[in-house]
Amino acid sequence: KNQVEQSPQSLIILEGKNCTLQCNYTVSPFSNLRWYKQDTGRGPVSLTIMTFSENTKSNGRYTATLDADTKQSSLHITASQLSDSASYICVVSGPNTNAGKSTFGDGTTLTVKP
Amino acid sequence: DAGITQSPRHKVTETGTPVTLRCHQTENHRYMYWYRQDPGHGLRLIHYSYGVKDTDKGEVSDGYSVSRSKTEDFLLTLESATSSQTSVYFCAISERSGSNNEQFFGPGTRLTVL
Repeated sequence: KNQVEQSPQSLIILEGKNCTLQCNYTVSPFSNLRWYKQDTGRGPVSLTIMTFSENTKSNGRYTATLDADTKQSSLHITASQLSDSASYICVVSGPNTNAGKSTFGDGTTLTVKP
Repeated sequence: DAGITQSPRHKVTETGTPVTLRCHQTENHRYMYWYRQDPGHGLRLIHYSYGVKDTDKGEVSDGYSVSRSKTEDFLLTLESATSSQTSVYFCAISERSGSNNEQFFGPGTRLTVL
């Protein structure tokens, strides 16, 4: 069964600090991995997408890495801001997969405190 | 939220009553999806549509039906609501079906079944 596991489940950091969120998956075959940010009370918004051949992708202060051999990804947030407080969801898809049939992780809830 | 609205945003209903949730888009995207989001489960696909009057089941379709009579509207119906259907429901759209294509999510509907 395809699975996506994220850790930690929740994380609290101080404003200005860096943090790293983890995503391990068993989806096979693999096509792409996407990280979403979900603010409280809103729908998820895509941050990055990486395919098999990519091992790093940045979006501002967000940097995602992918190791397709070990089936692991991380999302690194630099110089955190209060607005980074949200849930971060890892989503993994296989080739020729309808976008809606991807495998979603449960998310990591990040709280940034002043 | 990328031209996607959901209505109602909040609803409380009683077990056994029918409930219809509406998703409306102004992006003219072909594909529309309904998900539910529950603690410990991540986002799970209920049904999706690949065109007007064309729909298919997702992984948790039991107890739900959908209809799409116009490109812009996708309705989710709970024929006889149960407490296990208490959840937050998200609609999403995408221009094409492949997993490389980004899904855009609506703001969600919080449904409580008493």
